[in-house]
Amino acid sequence: EVQLVESGGGLVQPGGSLRLSCAASGFTFSDHYMDWVRQAPGKGLEWVGRIRMKVNGSTTEYAASVKGRFTISRDDSKNSLYLQMNSLKTEDTAVYYCARAARLGQGFYLDYWGQGTLVTASS
Amino acid sequence: DIQLTQSPSFLSASVGDRVTITCRASQGISSSLAWYQQKPEKAPKLLIHTASTLQSGVPSRFSGSGSGTEFTLTISSLQPEDFATYYCQQRKSYPITFGGGTKVEIK
Repeated sequence: EVQLVESGGGLVQPGGSLRLSCAASGFTFSDHYMDWVRQAPGKGLEWVGRIRMKVNGSTTEYAASVKGRFTISRDDSKNSLYLQMNSLKTEDTAVYYCARAARLGQGFYLDYWGQGTLVTASS
Repeated sequence: DIQLTQSPSFLSASVGDRVTITCRASQGISSSLAWYQQKPEKAPKLLIHTASTLQSGVPSRFSGSGSGTEFTLTISSLQPEDFATYYCQQRKSYPITFGGGTKVEIK
């Protein structure tokens, strides 16, 4: 059974840093692109970024709203995905989901999601 | 960035109703579109990818259609467990974007 479990959320002051983790199991983690998606309280879904497989250089893509402040990384030996968040702003307050990007049809779609972890940036 | 506009943003329907949700893209995205269902306090669930391909395990009352800039999600006969918020998402180009969501509530 595919499982994604996020951790590391919490309360942080604006300008601070936080590192989220996502532990994956039930599939070959190294064979998949992985994404982060967030959802502010009472709002819709916002894509944060993606990391490709090691065979693709573990390259990354980011939303403009987080580029230069957030960094996605992965450790295939630990089946883990990370989101390093620096210079946090109040508008970064959201539930953060990790999601598996599976190749379906001719593209990648988010077929499994974790339960999410809440990040609150507030003084 | 490709903007996705969903309509309506809210709809009230009864069990057994046929429901249609529309997603319009700001530029052509061929068939590079997915639909997700999200229930309160839960993670989104993939329903349809590539505009019209039902994800494994999803009931056949859900269907998707469209290409280019206009897409629809149809629920042929609304069931109690279908009351949720639905999002479209494009994967044609980065950044990946989602529609604003359509909340389906019980009439």
